[in-house]
Amino acid sequence: EAGVAQSPRYKIIEKRQSVAFWCNPISGHATLYWYQQILGQGPKLLIQFQNNGVVDDSQLPKDRFSAERLKGVDSTLKIQPAKLEDSAVYLCASSLGSGHTDTQYFGPGTRLTVL
Amino acid sequence: GQNIDQPTEMTATEGAIVQINCTYQTSGFNGLFWYQQHAGEAPTFLSYNVLDGLEEKGRFSSFLSRSKGYSYLLLKELQMKDSASYLCAVSPSNYQLIWGAGTKLIIKP
Repeated sequence: EAGVAQSPRYKIIEKRQSVAFWCNPISGHATLYWYQQILGQGPKLLIQFQNNGVVDDSQLPKDRFSAERLKGVDSTLKIQPAKLEDSAVYLCASSLGSGHTDTQYFGPGTRLTVL
Repeated sequence: GQNIDQPTEMTATEGAIVQINCTYQTSGFNGLFWYQQHAGEAPTFLSYNVLDGLEEKGRFSSFLSRSKGYSYLLLKELQMKDSASYLCAVSPSNYQLIWGAGTKLIIKP
């Protein structure tokens, strides 16, 4: 079974530029999560999709971050414009069911550096 | 508020046993997860506890006491590859998961 795929693996941009990350979840998984993980901290949920609807985006900085999940499969996360404090690893995860008691499977992440 | 506490860092010796504690204060409880995260890699699932008691899975065991808001992850026969961060996460409800900051475990030969 293929795991969660993410691209790119690494990205370096200057502040005020824009960047987009892509995620392909495990086939058949209804729920998709985007997390931000700053070095030395636990993952912080940015947005959760169930199929192609948003379940939770309470911690998404909506003035600069946006995300979509077209056709309930792949998802993209965009930052525009980027700030220095956005430097982090962006993790995508998916789970079979819709609840937070389901095991989440993580992709390898995208390490973003904002200069 | 909702809070999860774990030690920041622990050191143990290869072949020994180590216990990583996690205490939580949440508005509700729907289960507790332990994930392992090697440096530069994504978290991977280790265990899930929803009822009190000990769950054993090979060299790893996880314990939960809901009344005390406490869990621990027990690693036996430590190997160098066990050097990683161990993340505790609690689901206060079916629509939420709170993550701890993780415990970095260093294994020395």
